[in-house]
Amino acid sequence: KQEVTQIPAALSVPEGENLVLNCSFTDSAIYNLQWFRQDPGKGLTSLLLIQSSQREQTSGRLNASLDKSSGRSTLYIAASQPGDSATYLCAYFGKYNFNKFYFGSGTKLNVKP
Amino acid sequence: SAVISQKPSRDICQRGTSLTIQCQVDSQVTMMFWYRQQPGQSLTLIATANQGSEATYESGFVIDKFPISRPNLTFSTLTVSNMSPEDSSIYLCSAKTGNRAPHEKLFFGSGTQLSVL
Repeated sequence: KQEVTQIPAALSVPEGENLVLNCSFTDSAIYNLQWFRQDPGKGLTSLLLIQSSQREQTSGRLNASLDKSSGRSTLYIAASQPGDSATYLCAYFGKYNFNKFYFGSGTKLNVKP
Repeated sequence: SAVISQKPSRDICQRGTSLTIQCQVDSQVTMMFWYRQQPGQSLTLIATANQGSEATYESGFVIDKFPISRPNLTFSTLTVSNMSPEDSSIYLCSAKTGNRAPHEKLFFGSGTQLSVL
């Protein structure tokens, strides 16, 4: 059974702090992993995609890494801002079904001014 | 990338009525999906919308309750039929873009927040 776990479920930090969000998965046949941001009551915004052959991706203050052997991905946010407050979800699809995405339940981040 | 327009953004409906949600993608995509996100939960796949044929439903979801149309490669609708308060959720349209794995990426519409009284 494919499971995606995101810990912690909620996180509150002061503005300016660097932080790491975690995503763990049990599927050894993971192919691509994607990180999303979701604002309350809204859809998901794609942040970073890590392809199967890559170990990390960077976009601005965000850096995502993927370690398939240990079943972990991390999203690093540098110099956090109140505008970063949202729920962050990770999702992957496996190499046996490119149309089946498995989602974590998210980490709700609050960055305090 | 793809821009997905979804409407309505929110609605409050009476028990027993139906609501149709529309999803428009700004480019042709191979795969479109409909998800449900119940309060405080992660996403659950309802069905894959297939162009020109019947949608493929996940376990626990049936066509009579959630009929889906996909007349072309850029447009799809999801209807939530005979609604009850348990159907109150965020409904999300998504599409997968890219020529082939591993370059494929999932994009989402802005969601429809549905409340059933």
